[in-house]
Amino acid sequence: EDQVTQSPEALRLQEGESSSLNCSYTVSGLRGLFWYRQDPGKGPEFLFTLYSAGEEKEKERLKATLTKKESFLHITAPKPEDSATYLCAVHPNTNAGKSTFGDGTTLTVKP
Amino acid sequence: DAGVTQSPTHLIKTRGQHVTLRCSPISGHKSVSWYQQVLGQGPQFIFQYYEKEERGRGNFPDRFSARQFPNYSSELNVNALLLGDSALYLCASSSGRPFSTEAFFGQGTRLTVV
Repeated sequence: EDQVTQSPEALRLQEGESSSLNCSYTVSGLRGLFWYRQDPGKGPEFLFTLYSAGEEKEKERLKATLTKKESFLHITAPKPEDSATYLCAVHPNTNAGKSTFGDGTTLTVKP
Repeated sequence: DAGVTQSPTHLIKTRGQHVTLRCSPISGHKSVSWYQQVLGQGPQFIFQYYEKEERGRGNFPDRFSARQFPNYSSELNVNALLLGDSALYLCASSSGRPFSTEAFFGQGTRLTVV
């Protein structure tokens, strides 16, 4: 069974203090690994898809990387508006639509 | 273009009742997936539909059912509601092309069972 574990559960940073979020996964053939941002009471907002080990993608202050066992979401010089829950999910290499999500890391950035 | 739209946004039901949740995907997307998200946890996969056919089903009881219409919109039905069904129900839209993976979520329906 596919599994995703995210750490830490919660992370508090000062504005400008860079850090990384971890997503460890096991999947029976990885088709894609996703990162989403979720604000309280809202649906997840798509950030990145990573397909193969060594791949990196960037968007503003966020950079996602992928290895064969884990993914990292690096946040450089975060701002208070980056505060949210960041979700990681894996999609197996089948034609079935099931994505398995982790429970997320809740990031709080203090000014 | 409109994103994924879900209705209603909030709903309160009594134990034992049934509920129907609705989702309209992004224009041009042919696949809809449903997820249940309990507070403090990640979304749990319920169903995926593509071209009106069920493509995948998660570990949910038979009280949960869904369907997709010719215009690709979808309904999720839950019968005999339990208190534990209280959650945010999310609909995700994707193109449905073989092995296409990017999914875009709606704002969800917050279901409260009392």
